[in-house]
Amino acid sequence: DIVLTQSPALAVSLGQRATISCKTNQNVDYYGNSYMHWYQQKPGQQPKLLIYLASNLASGIPARFSGRGSGTDFTLTIDPVEADDTATYYCQQSRNLWTFGGGTKLELK
Amino acid sequence: QIQLVQSGPELKKPGESLKISCKASGYTFTDYAMQWVKQAPGKGLQYMGWINTQTGKPTYADDFKERFVFSLETSASTAYLQINNLKNEDTATYFCARGRWLGGDFDYWGQGVMVTVSS
Repeated sequence: DIVLTQSPALAVSLGQRATISCKTNQNVDYYGNSYMHWYQQKPGQQPKLLIYLASNLASGIPARFSGRGSGTDFTLTIDPVEADDTATYYCQQSRNLWTFGGGTKLELK
Repeated sequence: QIQLVQSGPELKKPGESLKISCKASGYTFTDYAMQWVKQAPGKGLQYMGWINTQTGKPTYADDFKERFVFSLETSASTAYLQINNLKNEDTATYFCARGRWLGGDFDYWGQGVMVTVSS
């Protein structure tokens, strides 16, 4: 199984940059694509797709969100952070079946 | 617009069974996979498995190979999750999600079904 590791929490100030990391125990690249995706989940709501294939912005997602990385190391960046961004963020791989990271809770300082 | 609408909350006793529905609209049902995800109270997302909407073949993650059954009613654009012999640890919210074949991401999600198992 591919295991995804995220830090449990991150605190940032409004207007600053938030960088959330996700590390995998196996390479999730295949034929030029990185099979890594990012989701945002607010309390009581379903998850929402933010980024697919490591760096592609999902439909309707503001350009404040961006993703990068390859192989085993990936990051989701939110710049600048707004109050509405407080949520839990999950990475997910689809290189070999599917697994989720444990989630990173983003809070405001 | 694309929607996945799931059935309502369930309260069950240990040993009972239940069947959750996920009705898709706004797209061609068989053009996408249907994925299932569990979220226990206060916990993260746990991948359960998926069902191929073209063939009806289900694939289960290791923790969900027993007691869990995915099925389809393609004519009604509806996917089902059945859980047999319910246990307390099945208490969770269960989400269906539309899975894209090419990238493997889940681009639309149902609202979730809260299942409570308690004697």
